[in-house]
Amino acid sequence: AQSVTQLGSHVSVSEGALVLLRCNYSSSVPPYLFWYVQYPNQGLQLLLKYTTGATLVKGINGFEAEFKKSETSFHLTKPSAHMSDAAEYFCAVSDRGTASKLTFGTGTRLQVTL
Amino acid sequence: ETGVTQSPTHLIKTRGQQVTLRCSSQSGHNTVSWYQQALGQGPQFIFQYYREEENGRGNFPPRFSGLQFPNYSSELNVNALELDDSALYLCASSLEPSGSEQFFGPGTRLTVL
Repeated sequence: AQSVTQLGSHVSVSEGALVLLRCNYSSSVPPYLFWYVQYPNQGLQLLLKYTTGATLVKGINGFEAEFKKSETSFHLTKPSAHMSDAAEYFCAVSDRGTASKLTFGTGTRLQVTL
Repeated sequence: ETGVTQSPTHLIKTRGQQVTLRCSSQSGHNTVSWYQQALGQGPQFIFQYYREEENGRGNFPPRFSGLQFPNYSSELNVNALELDDSALYLCASSLEPSGSEQFFGPGTRLTVL
């Protein structure tokens, strides 16, 4: 069975500071990995995904994540936070053959302060 | 090209009632997945429909059931509603079950009193 652990249910950063949201996964086979963002009262929007190839993945809005197999991690980073980044972020994992069946973490709420 | 749409936006029901939620998939997508997102939690996979057949189910009781129609739109039905069924229900569509590009709708907020 797959699982995802997101360390830190709430993260607060200053505008312009580095954003680091942590995600560790458990999977018996090489997984696909995803980060989604959810703004209040909205659905989920895909930020980025890792399927195969380059382990450093770039997504929308300046976010990127690096797949580290040895650490079973897929942390999300952004060099400089913007007020508009304040939202809930979810890490998710799936099997390669059934990529549309996602197992999500519990989410990290990102707060950006002036 | 329209995205994934869901109806209704909000719904209030009482315990024991039945509810039907609807989802229209993105054009060309034949796979629809349903998720339940309780307050403060991540979404949990309920089930998936592919070409009108159920194609996998999460850890949800049989009172959660679904349908997919020839146009690939889908319904989620919940019978005998319980208070814990209060949640945001998300629908997502993809080109195929193996498709890693999945698009989510805005969700239906269900409140059970």
